[in-house]
Amino acid sequence: DIQMTQSPSSLSASVGDRVTITCQASQDISNYLNWYQQKPGKAPKLLIYDASNLETGVPSRFSGSGSGTDFTFTISSLQPEDIATYYCQQYDNPPQATFGQGTRLEIK
Amino acid sequence: QVQLVQSGAEVKKPGASVKVSCKASGYTFTSYDINWVRQATGQGLEWMGWMNPNSGNTGYAQKFQGRVTMTRNTSISTAYMELSSLRSEDTAVYYCARGGQTKGGSCYSCWFDPWGQGTLVTVSS
Repeated sequence: DIQMTQSPSSLSASVGDRVTITCQASQDISNYLNWYQQKPGKAPKLLIYDASNLETGVPSRFSGSGSGTDFTFTISSLQPEDIATYYCQQYDNPPQATFGQGTRLEIK
Repeated sequence: QVQLVQSGAEVKKPGASVKVSCKASGYTFTSYDINWVRQATGQGLEWMGWMNPNSGNTGYAQKFQGRVTMTRNTSISTAYMELSSLRSEDTAVYYCARGGQTKGGSCYSCWFDPWGQGTLVTVSS
């Protein structure tokens, strides 16, 4: 099975900061990597699909990049409403999915 | 709008089974996979498996093989996830999520969107 290593596990930043989260796959997954945001008590929400595609309606301060084994998720200018836990998720075939361990983002 | 609505919270005793439903609306139910993901309190997301509502084909994570069954009723656009031989470690919120399209053993557009609101399953004696 493919393992996903997400870091950091928690992060504290100030409003307006640039925030970066990384996800590393245990083997090449091409661009089959998605990013989700989960706020407390809510279901996860898709932000980025296939490594770098912004889901419709998601603010442009969110972005993703990478391919192969190394991926990056960035918030260009942190806003108070971005406080949440963020997860990467890979998929391969035959269909299997794995989530990263999550990054809890807090305001400093 | 595309929506998944899940059944309500459940309390079960160890060794029992639970069946959670997920009703889809706003799109053609048979055109997209349904995935199930669970989350224990304070923990991360754990993928359990997928089902193609058109064919009924399923695929389960190794951890749940033999204990989980995913089914559907296309006439009411509803997917089900049944987990048996429950133990305390199965206490979690269970989510359904619309996935991609699995054809010929390969998944296309395999991201999860939208998600159901979650169903809390508590296993306690």
